[in-house]
Amino acid sequence: AQSVSQHNHHVILSEAASLELGCNYSYGGTVNLFWYVQYPGQHLQLLLKYFSGDPLVKGIKGFEAEFIKSKFSFNLRKPSVQWSDTAEYFCAVTKAGGSYIPTFGRGTSLIVHP
Amino acid sequence: DTAVSQTPKYLVTQMGNDKSIKCEQNLGHDTMYWYKQDSKKFLKIMFSYNNKELIINETVPNRFSPKSPDKAHLNLHINSLELGDSAVYFCASSQDLGGLAGPTDTQYFGPGTRLTVL
Repeated sequence: AQSVSQHNHHVILSEAASLELGCNYSYGGTVNLFWYVQYPGQHLQLLLKYFSGDPLVKGIKGFEAEFIKSKFSFNLRKPSVQWSDTAEYFCAVTKAGGSYIPTFGRGTSLIVHP
Repeated sequence: DTAVSQTPKYLVTQMGNDKSIKCEQNLGHDTMYWYKQDSKKFLKIMFSYNNKELIINETVPNRFSPKSPDKAHLNLHINSLELGDSAVYFCASSQDLGGLAGPTDTQYFGPGTRLTVL
């Protein structure tokens, strides 16, 4: 069974600091990759997704993620965080050609101090 | 217009009661889901319906019964509520593009229903 690991459970940064959140998955076949964000008290919404093509994906609000197939990774980055980026971030994977139910990581809680 | 809506937003009830949570999507999607998010924010799939048919039923107690009257609705009924059922329940939908590539579209989540069992 595929699994998704997010090694940073809690990240605390000051505004303007750079962010990188790790995501690794265990499935060896073709995958679709997602990052979702959950702002305090709100529902999950898509930040960015990768299906094919350029492994560097640009998302909303200045976020980007890089798919490195050899490392089974899809790390999320932002060069300069803002207080409004405080949220839970979830990495998710679906298996192409198989069950389309996404497997979510356990999430990373990001707190940005003003 | 709200894409995926859930009612109620908050539900507080006693142990042993039966309750329902409703979900509706107006996106024309084929597939709907129920997720449970526990106190540690872990998100776990419970059920998935595609065109009103049950596709995925993860290891969930049979006290939980999903019902899909039509493609746009997926309701969750819970019998004999227990303390451990307290969580936030999210409904979601996606467009199943099918084929070998599988669905490649995004999950659209509802606002969640915070269930508290006393």
